[in-house]
Amino acid sequence: GQQLNQSPQSMFIQEGEDVSMNCTSSSIFNTWLWYKQDPGEGPVLLIALYKAGELTSNGRLTAQFGITRKDSFLNISASIPSDVGIYFCAKETSGSRLTFGEGTQLTVNP
Amino acid sequence: SQTIHQWPATLVQPVGSPLSLECTVEGTSNPNLYWYRQAAGRGLQLLFYSVGIGQISSEVPQNLSASRPQDRQFILSSKKLLLSDSGFYLCAWSTGTGISGYTFGSGTRLTVV
Repeated sequence: GQQLNQSPQSMFIQEGEDVSMNCTSSSIFNTWLWYKQDPGEGPVLLIALYKAGELTSNGRLTAQFGITRKDSFLNISASIPSDVGIYFCAKETSGSRLTFGEGTQLTVNP
Repeated sequence: SQTIHQWPATLVQPVGSPLSLECTVEGTSNPNLYWYRQAAGRGLQLLFYSVGIGQISSEVPQNLSASRPQDRQFILSSKKLLLSDSGFYLCAWSTGTGISGYTFGSGTRLTVV
């Protein structure tokens, strides 16, 4: 019930292309988070979503909290080489613990 | 401002040797502290979390243990490492009152040989 299903597992795109990835859960929850992990580093928070239907942007990133509270997507527009990394969705469980999806590995070819 | 320090950055240890990874947080009091493990660059698995000094909760049974001897210090240990303990270990902290305060350290790459 606490698993997050994240897709796709990996993406290979050309610089300048737009990217979309999503996350689903069998249970509803109150917070969606999107993190990016650069190679050899810890994940960094990109966007936090707190309300069903919420659409939030951070530069070229846009994320939405699904109206059913069971899914979310992250879009990256006009990708650049530094977008390379692993993108994780995450949700909060009790005690401020985070459960993470398996990640989407993004490769951007210049 | 708050910062989180994790060391060492990389570690190669023989099977059966002990382990001690340290994580410290600066600029905040009474943080929630977490140890995560990441295998093969994929999902993050929560190993331990702590809401206060001496308070440790384990998420999965394993060959590792955690301790919190001071408010802003979190230690991950093992008495005898296994090959399967290899991975990327990440420490994180949060305020416990808002998810936006969930911050990761830079990680320790552990290779057990």
